[in-house]
Amino acid sequence: DIVMTQTPLSLPVTPGEPASISCRSSQSLLDRDDGDTYLDWYLQKPGQSPQLLIYTLSYRASGVPDRFSGSGSDTDFSLNISRVEAEDVGVYYCMQRMEYPLTFGGGTKVEIK
Amino acid sequence: EVQLVESGGGLVKPGGSLRLSCTASGFTFSTYTLDWVRQAPGKGLEWVASISSSSTYIHYADSVKGRFTVSRDNAKNSLYLQMNSLSAEDTAVYYCFRYDYWGQGSLVTVSS
Repeated sequence: DIVMTQTPLSLPVTPGEPASISCRSSQSLLDRDDGDTYLDWYLQKPGQSPQLLIYTLSYRASGVPDRFSGSGSDTDFSLNISRVEAEDVGVYYCMQRMEYPLTFGGGTKVEIK
Repeated sequence: EVQLVESGGGLVKPGGSLRLSCTASGFTFSTYTLDWVRQAPGKGLEWVASISSSSTYIHYADSVKGRFTVSRDNAKNSLYLQMNSLSAEDTAVYYCFRYDYWGQGSLVTVSS
């Protein structure tokens, strides 16, 4: 199974400041047949279901503000928030869908300082 | 608007069974692979099972293999999860998942 490791576990942030979350996979998530990297990012706001933020490494899901961006390659990935807003609090998860079983990172809890 | 609505959760005794349903709307159900993902209380997300659009390909997490069965009825726009031999470790909110959309979840509690 592909192991997904997220850091940090907790991230206190200041509104208006940037923030970054890292995710590492135990195997490459690059599909050399189609050139896509199957890494997604989700945000679970308090009391809600998860919602898709970024898919296939760097594509923003519909309705996601452009302050969110995804980057990385092969086994090392980042989710960046250019300017954090109060509504961005919650737990962020990375997930690989390169192969089954699908696996998630352990989550990063983002909270306002 | 894409909607995924789970139902069928509840309290069940260890060793018991439960069947979850997920009713979809707002998209062409028969063309999408769908998954079940669960979240134990206070814990992270765990993928459970996946079924391809025409039920040709089915995958399970090792933790549920042999106990859970995923199925779908494309005529009814519905996804199912039959859960047998339940234990306390299966207590979780179960989400129907299209990778870009999630249901609201259905709570399954296994307790005597």
